Amino acid sequence: DAGVIQSPRHEVTEMGQEVTLRCKPISGHNSLFWYRQTMMRGLELLIYFNNNVPIDDSGMPEDRFSAKMPNASFSTLKIQPSEPRDSAVYFCASTPGPGEQYFGPGTRLTVT
Amino acid sequence: KNEVEQSPQNLTAQEGEFITINCSYSVGISALHWLQQHPGGGIVSLFMLSSGKKKHGRLIATINIQEKHSSLHITASHPRDSAVYICAVLSYGNKLVFGAGTILRVKS
Repeated sequence: DAGVIQSPRHEVTEMGQEVTLRCKPISGHNSLFWYRQTMMRGLELLIYFNNNVPIDDSGMPEDRFSAKMPNASFSTLKIQPSEPRDSAVYFCASTPGPGEQYFGPGTRLTVT
Repeated sequence: KNEVEQSPQNLTAQEGEFITINCSYSVGISALHWLQQHPGGGIVSLFMLSSGKKKHGRLIATINIQEKHSSLHITASHPRDSAVYICAVLSYGNKLVFGAGTILRVKS
């Protein structure tokens, strides 16, 4: 299995631009998580889906952030408009149930 | 106060030393994870435990549910163990809450 796949691995964009991060979970996993990691705040849960349905989005910072999971094999995290304070590494993880989570390699986002 | 506290924040050890990283939490949990993050950034799950003790190679993880405390031990440490070790608790509803991490450097 290829593991959790994220794209792009690196993204540099200017303030105000729209950014879309993509994630393909491991086949058969029914839960998907989006995390953000910064030096100041460490790892934080943004949102998670169970069977493609958003269950907890309390970690989404503000309305500029949105996430979708149109099917079991694909999810997106969108930031519109992006701001410099959104610069971070964004991880996607998936799990077959309430247990070990498998993390993707992350997307390093830099907003200038 | 953070829900998950780790100590120490930074740890430097000599190759071969026995290492202990501690994690205390204040919320109800269904399980606790230990994660490893290498300088390249990838995160790997080392252990998931809800009671007792688990061992994998030179790594040992223990948890005391009553005291809300877990430890990660590394025996015969090696420079390749240098990484950030993160404790995360699985609260009810499949949601992970993370500690700030312990930066470990093992010198040869």
